[in-house]
Amino acid sequence: SQQGEEDPQALSIQEGENATMNCSYKTSINNLQWYRQNSGRGLVHLILIRSNEREKHSGRLRVTLDTSKKSSSLLITASRAADTASYFCATISSGSARQLTFGSGTQLTVLP
Amino acid sequence: EAGVVQSPRYKIIEKKQPVAFWCNPISGHNTLYWYLQNLGQGPELLIRYENEEAVDDSQLPKDRFSAERLKGVDSTLKIQPAELGDSAVYLCASSCRTGGGGGQPQHFGDGTRLSIL
Repeated sequence: SQQGEEDPQALSIQEGENATMNCSYKTSINNLQWYRQNSGRGLVHLILIRSNEREKHSGRLRVTLDTSKKSSSLLITASRAADTASYFCATISSGSARQLTFGSGTQLTVLP
Repeated sequence: EAGVVQSPRYKIIEKKQPVAFWCNPISGHNTLYWYLQNLGQGPELLIRYENEEAVDDSQLPKDRFSAERLKGVDSTLKIQPAELGDSAVYLCASSCRTGGGGGQPQHFGDGTRLSIL
């Protein structure tokens, strides 16, 4: 079963624009992670944010976490055509057997 | 470091036939995962190994699926017999300890795309 739901399901932007993807989840979490998946490839870990953190940056990536709303957002600034991929949020629930539960993903297309 | 290696990349079989997937995790990673990914969806965990012990196989359909991780390194996932609904991508991942909860990311292979005719 899917824990998180990403919004939007698909996003198309021009190169240089910013892309924002949102994730909502259902249960209390230990941490939340974002992964990228290029077509036909495996997932690549992008960033992890813990439940006691509100914002985290890594290069052109900015992740926020609002545990009161059970939501997170991923912002990619100054997007490039190479950012075209599917983006998934994944959660580790509090007290769980450390199972990583993925959402259904956002398909991002960056047009050159 | 070399990444997670999976083979084969593609497999096409007729229903009711057996099939097996192989995974070689990153050297030194003691935790190994098998996921199933349907088109347009995120991966769903099938089984997690800590070294050679299967510590979470609650999502593995045990009537037809089996897995093993001999010597706590390579792993194989088998389906026998395969059904039409098993068509999906099977992903293997590894982490240096249980990923996520301890802050360790999971490293994924490129998966095996299974098509059942």
